[in-house]
Amino acid sequence: KQEVTQIPAALSVPEGENLVLNCSFTDSAIYNLQWFRQDPGKGLTSLLLIQSSQREQTSGRLNASLDKSSGRSTLYIAASQPGDSATYLCAVFSNDYKLSFGAGTTVTVRA
Amino acid sequence: GAVVSQHPSRVICKSGTSVKIECRSLDFQATTMFWYRQFPKQSLMLMATSNEGSKATYEQGVEKDKFLINHASLTLSTLTVTSAHPEDSSFYICSARDQGLAGDRGQFFGPGTRLTVL
Repeated sequence: KQEVTQIPAALSVPEGENLVLNCSFTDSAIYNLQWFRQDPGKGLTSLLLIQSSQREQTSGRLNASLDKSSGRSTLYIAASQPGDSATYLCAVFSNDYKLSFGAGTTVTVRA
Repeated sequence: GAVVSQHPSRVICKSGTSVKIECRSLDFQATTMFWYRQFPKQSLMLMATSNEGSKATYEQGVEKDKFLINHASLTLSTLTVTSAHPEDSSFYICSARDQGLAGDRGQFFGPGTRLTVL
């Protein structure tokens, strides 16, 4: 069974600092990996999808890397803003397309 | 693009009643939709996979007779919580897989439905 771990569980940084969020998974036979953002009491917003054959994806201030062999993905958020405060979830697709979620990293960006 | 809606956003019901939650993909067709449950301060737990035109596949430990899933069209899946009890109170979130012409774009999630059973 795929186990997904996210470290740290919580992170508080001053505005402008870069964020580094880590995700590890136990089974490297993955289909895709997707990063999401969840605001309190809300659904999930897709941030980036990395195909298993890719090493990274970029969108604006966000960059996600994937190292399948070591079972790791990292989400970088450059020049953080208070609006980036949320919980960030890493989710791994197995080959039957089921998602396994990490517990999330709750980010607070202080103005 | 890739917008998924859920209705209702909140529902409060009495114990023993049934509640239906709708999940719609608004700008793409989804042959596969998923239903999740999320408890406070916890991550999402997959309940079932809903395939258009066929029976849903339930995860271990999820009662299929209690959580009825219907995926009648390429844009609509419904989850009915039958004979709801207070322990069914939770945040239910659906997602839809976007396998469009541009390739697989992953799963897109609805805004969730907060169910409270009194």
